[in-house]
Amino acid sequence: GENVEQHPSTLSVQEGDSAVIKCTYSDSASNYFPWYKQELGKRPQLIIDIRSNVGEKKDQRIAVTLNKTAKHFSLHITETQPEDSAVYFCAASISGGSYIPTFGRGTSLIVHP
Amino acid sequence: EPEVTQTPSHQVTQMGQEVILRCVPISNHLYFYWYRQILGQKVEFLVSFYNNEISEKSEIFDDQFSVERPDGSNFTLKIRSTKLEDSAMYFCASSEAVGQGSEQYFGPGTRLTVT
Repeated sequence: GENVEQHPSTLSVQEGDSAVIKCTYSDSASNYFPWYKQELGKRPQLIIDIRSNVGEKKDQRIAVTLNKTAKHFSLHITETQPEDSAVYFCAASISGGSYIPTFGRGTSLIVHP
Repeated sequence: EPEVTQTPSHQVTQMGQEVILRCVPISNHLYFYWYRQILGQKVEFLVSFYNNEISEKSEIFDDQFSVERPDGSNFTLKIRSTKLEDSAMYFCASSEAVGQGSEQYFGPGTRLTVT
């Protein structure tokens, strides 16, 4: 089955800095990669996703890149703000069937004001 | 904006007891899921459900677990005889469609504590 590794487990940055979270996956058939943000005690919420036919996607301060050859994808947050503090999970899945994402272990992002 | 809802928000039960966790998916969604998240760990898939039957289930979803859609709105997860290691946050999710790019919307979760 799919295995998703996520690094770092904790990331501490100053407000205004950039943050990068990296994930690798094992199954070359995976073709959909969502990122979820989970604030303390709240539900995971999708913040951005990327499909295997795209190398990069941006949404305001958030961007995701995908390298299919190397089987890794990354989340980039620019101009970080304290409200970006949360746990971020990457996931990988294979389209078709029930679409079951395999999650990474999460990165706790702390943005210091 | 419609949301997935879950009840109760926190359930405390004794080992060996049965618990039922309830979810109300978004009304026009057809696919339903249960996940669990042990404190401080990643979200893990348990089961998916479509057209009144299980589509897929993980190794975690053993004979102690069952799911049901008893009516047109509720989706339940039953744990027959709870164990200490069942303590976790349980998230329900639903999606309108399935496959690539079909966003799953998560509920707020039920924290299950088994003592």
